[in-house]
Amino acid sequence: IQMTQSPSSLSASVGDRVTITCRASQGIRNELGWYQQKPGKAPKFLIYAASSLESGVPSRFSGSGSGTDFTLTISNLQPEDFATYYCLQDYNYPRTFGQGTKVEIK
Amino acid sequence: EVHLVESGGGLVQPGGSLRLSCEASGFTFSSFWMAWVRQAPGKGLEWVANIRGDGSKINYVDSVKGRFTISRDNAKDSLYLQMNSLRAEDTSLYYCARDSNHYDSGIYYDTFDMWGQGTMVTVSS
Repeated sequence: IQMTQSPSSLSASVGDRVTITCRASQGIRNELGWYQQKPGKAPKFLIYAASSLESGVPSRFSGSGSGTDFTLTISNLQPEDFATYYCLQDYNYPRTFGQGTKVEIK
Repeated sequence: EVHLVESGGGLVQPGGSLRLSCEASGFTFSSFWMAWVRQAPGKGLEWVANIRGDGSKINYVDSVKGRFTISRDNAKDSLYLQMNSLRAEDTSLYYCARDSNHYDSGIYYDTFDMWGQGTMVTVSS
């Protein structure tokens, strides 16, 4: 299954609302997760089952979608949110990540 | 404190072999699926392989099938990745990750909630 994220990068300001899209090449129900990665660091798990927030993740992060189209939304963007975000399908094997979306400071 | 520490990376010639290790602490290792995820320099994440807690189920990405072997020793709280016939395209930072495999409404979801710091593998002559 191919996972395609858009955009590949975006520039935003603190306080903005940001939306990242992930599209699967076939239906994956809601079996999708989102990860955040900062430079030089391991990824951090954010969301599973397309919309369920991992414990401890700020509520400004939210996910939605089912089937082939999914979104990650960050409302009220904070300085610590500037990072690269990846979707990951866990519907079947091999698991596949999207290519990533880099969120940069405007 | 939950901890994953990878080791075993290094520089190897094409066609060579390496064995990566990931030592776990702070949780009941045998209860969790574990995975290897890699990241080529400046590139995105790629899922490589995973293994069930008791070692009874294993999956690989096609590009490493027949060359890489994932295994675990629950008595030593350790995960391994034996890499043979290495290629330049295997050059990556290799992470081990714990999968808490969250269960909800009849479905188990991968939840890679703990990651190591990574170990770098460079395949070059």
